[in-house]
Amino acid sequence: QVQLQESGPGLLKPSETLSLTCTVSGGSISSDYWSWIRQPPGKGPEWIGYLHYSGNTRYNPSLKSRVTVSFDRSNNQFSLRLNSVTAADTAVYYCARVLRGGGWSLGDWGQGTLVTVSS
Amino acid sequence: DIVMTQSPDSLAVSLGERATINCKSSQSILYSSNNNNYLAWYQQKPGQPPYLLIYWASTRESGVPDRFSGSGSGTNFTLTISSLQVEDVAVYYCQQYHSAPHTFGQGTKLQIK
Repeated sequence: QVQLQESGPGLLKPSETLSLTCTVSGGSISSDYWSWIRQPPGKGPEWIGYLHYSGNTRYNPSLKSRVTVSFDRSNNQFSLRLNSVTAADTAVYYCARVLRGGGWSLGDWGQGTLVTVSS
Repeated sequence: DIVMTQSPDSLAVSLGERATINCKSSQSILYSSNNNNYLAWYQQKPGQPPYLLIYWASTRESGVPDRFSGSGSGTNFTLTISSLQVEDVAVYYCQQYHSAPHTFGQGTKLQIK
């Protein structure tokens, strides 16, 4: 069973860059599609995008201009960067693995990390 | 974007009774080429990430109890819990993955009556 763990700063100021890492254990990051999702407090999840080690990526158009993703194969990690954050980016951020054979449904999730944007 | 609308927003059901949650998409999420509906259902308990219950609208994920079932096609979908258990208290979300962005419903909070 693959396990995922998000890590990164929990508090940012407006205009700063959010940078999160997802560490994968029990599987190789080059084998599957992965996804980032966020969930503002008390609200439903919002899909940020999916990514594959091959470079195949797709982002939510509402965030596309501010999002960058990358892979670190040596550490079996992938990362999310979101620049120019505002209070509206305050959310729990999750990384997840796309379910094999399940379309783009998300079968394994990290526990999530809360990112708060406040001056 | 495809808008996913769930009903009701909250639901209280007695233990052992049936719970039904509806999800409607603003456009069809059925691909005629493979006859698959691109819809998933998730369960989320407080302080936990969402947990995949159903994909392709009606396929149960491995390990999910068979009291959970999904149905529907096109734009109208249903998640049914045949006999509610205490551990089923949670918020349930539908998600379409037919077209990016892969949007979620607003959630349905399920409680015990």
